[in-house]
Amino acid sequence: DAMVIQNPRYQVTQFGKPVTLSCSQTLNHNVMYWYQQKSSQAPKLLFHYYDKDFNNEADTPDNFQSRRPNTSFCFLDIRSPGLGDAAMYLCATSRDSVTVNQPQHFGDGTRLSIL
Amino acid sequence: SQKIEQNSEALNIQEGKTATLTCNYTNYSPAYLQWYRQDPGRGPVFLLLIRENEKEKRKERLKVTFDTTLKQSLFHITASQPADSATYLCALAGNTPLVFGKGTRLSVIA
Repeated sequence: DAMVIQNPRYQVTQFGKPVTLSCSQTLNHNVMYWYQQKSSQAPKLLFHYYDKDFNNEADTPDNFQSRRPNTSFCFLDIRSPGLGDAAMYLCATSRDSVTVNQPQHFGDGTRLSIL
Repeated sequence: SQKIEQNSEALNIQEGKTATLTCNYTNYSPAYLQWYRQDPGRGPVFLLLIRENEKEKRKERLKVTFDTTLKQSLFHITASQPADSATYLCALAGNTPLVFGKGTRLSVIA
């Protein structure tokens, strides 16, 4: 089945130690998104790629970076994680539009803990 | 700024009854509204999409309405089952990426 896969499901890192989360998709969708979701909160968009074009949300901290080396893969890098960055990180895709009427397909997330 | 409110954090309902969840928004004119289901520890799963010129959309036991005058969408699950227990998120779409609400946690009690 075509899907969005996130690895690892659980990640523990130390305060200030860089961490990378990965996402792959077999849907061949042009758009990939990264969201941060804290407990009982709405998913918060961090950034998205439309193909290779990177779009950062205005309030995404500089601590968060992303790479998309090809259509299938996207990475989230947190350069110096703080305690406030502990959350579920969700990757999603949509076929070929950021807006309008296309549903998003989500992975099952990576739960990040900071020690 | 854009604001989305889902009627309550938690909703308990008896099996077999109709569950009704509310999504209200302000400072926004969405062209589309989407509903997602999220189970604990999982990513959201798309359920239904409704356009601003559609008043109602149905899929099996699910029904969504969209009232752009009231700035409100209602999400109904008829003949609810314990397996319907989950968090349901509404999301607004327009000329910006999707904006999600916090969701309503639905518990269907047998």
